[in-house]
Amino acid sequence: KAGVTQTPRYLIKTRGQQVTLSCSPISGHRSVSWYQQTPGQGLQFLFEYFSETQRNKGNFPGRFSGRQFSNSRSEMNVSTLELGDSALYLCASSSSARNTDTQYFGPGTRLTVL
Amino acid sequence: AQSVTQLGSHVSVSEGALVLLRCNYSSSVPPYLFWYVQYPNQGLQLLLKYTSAATLVKGINGFEAEFKKSETSFHLTKPSAHMSDAAEYFCAVSDSNYQLIWGAGTKLIIKP
Repeated sequence: KAGVTQTPRYLIKTRGQQVTLSCSPISGHRSVSWYQQTPGQGLQFLFEYFSETQRNKGNFPGRFSGRQFSNSRSEMNVSTLELGDSALYLCASSSSARNTDTQYFGPGTRLTVL
Repeated sequence: AQSVTQLGSHVSVSEGALVLLRCNYSSSVPPYLFWYVQYPNQGLQLLLKYTSAATLVKGINGFEAEFKKSETSFHLTKPSAHMSDAAEYFCAVSDSNYQLIWGAGTKLIIKP
């Protein structure tokens, strides 16, 4: 099976712009989670989608949003970019809804905000 | 609220020596615990997980971890370090909302 794919791998944006990141989960996986990774804050949970519904959301401002499509692909959007949004954004998929399930991670999208 | 503490942001061992990476958790419910590894410029890869079966869990690449409830610990070990083990290691606990709560990570440095 193909792994989790994320596009694009690298992005450079300027403050005030918006950005959309894409994640394609492993075939058959219905849960997609997004994480932000920075040197200062480490790994932080953004949100999780299961069967097109957002089930959980982390402690991020409303500028961060996401959605999941019927084929389980997911996108996250960040509006009005700030310098502090520079980070590695990781997507992870899992097969179902149990918290014992393994999350499989993509390679991430490196976002740089100038 | 659940939390994870990894002792030591950097751990340095010689090639062939024992690797010990420490992880302590706090949880009000039986925890599900994970160790992931991240190589430079890559995503995270699962090493092993504890889901309330055997307390000694064997993972990939020769790593294993032991769940000790009395010590609220889930330390990661490998008997003999290899240069290819150099990476960052993350311990995580899964909460009831299916979120992974992460430790800050430990960078493992292997000295030749």
